[in-house]
Amino acid sequence: GAVVSQHPSWVICKSGTSVKIECRSLDFQATTMFWYRQFPKQSLMLMATSNEGSKATYEQGVEKDKFLINHASLTLSTLTVTSAHPEDSSFYICSARAFTRDYNEQFFGPGTRLTVL
Amino acid sequence: RKEVEQDPGPFNVPEGATVAFNCTYSNSASQSFFWYRQDCRKEPKLLMSVYSSGNEDGRFTAQLNRASQYISLLIRDSKLSDSATYLCAADPSRLAGGTSYGKLTFGQGTILTVHP
Repeated sequence: GAVVSQHPSWVICKSGTSVKIECRSLDFQATTMFWYRQFPKQSLMLMATSNEGSKATYEQGVEKDKFLINHASLTLSTLTVTSAHPEDSSFYICSARAFTRDYNEQFFGPGTRLTVL
Repeated sequence: RKEVEQDPGPFNVPEGATVAFNCTYSNSASQSFFWYRQDCRKEPKLLMSVYSSGNEDGRFTAQLNRASQYISLLIRDSKLSDSATYLCAADPSRLAGGTSYGKLTFGQGTILTVHP
């Protein structure tokens, strides 16, 4: 199957700093990538849809000025958590669509665990 | 009401047992459904896609009931390695012309523990 990578896999930062997370599709091009957040013992919640060459589409309740998304190329989307606070501590996962035999299959990155002190 | 709902469990079953999970969805426009497996502190891995009435892959069978708006996952002959959280997801998004936009709505997940 298609491979999606994320970097870093984990990060610990102080409150008030900004953190950038990269999501890359390694062996396919992805015009659309998705960013999810998962709190402990909860399910994945879609935060935003990242579109190559255009603005991201944010889900209701997600602050676009706090979670900056840039999809600069067909293989890279970045999520920047600006002025992170402890409540932003979570597991951030990206996914990308790849047109396989299941034509609509999404492949997930390994996730980034963010801890804000 | 949540868009996609699952019984969180946990389900504790012995090896060799058959176990079934149900998942209900509220958006009747949903066309595509998926079962994912998620191990602790890992990303979800696609287990099965369900586009029509059902799908079978080895010990795993997924069924879709559009009239009642639920999908199910049946695991036969459970293995210790099947222990994980099982997430169902629905894709309700449609662009003009019927192409899926790809947004997934996940249920909260069902925890399965298979013991010796």
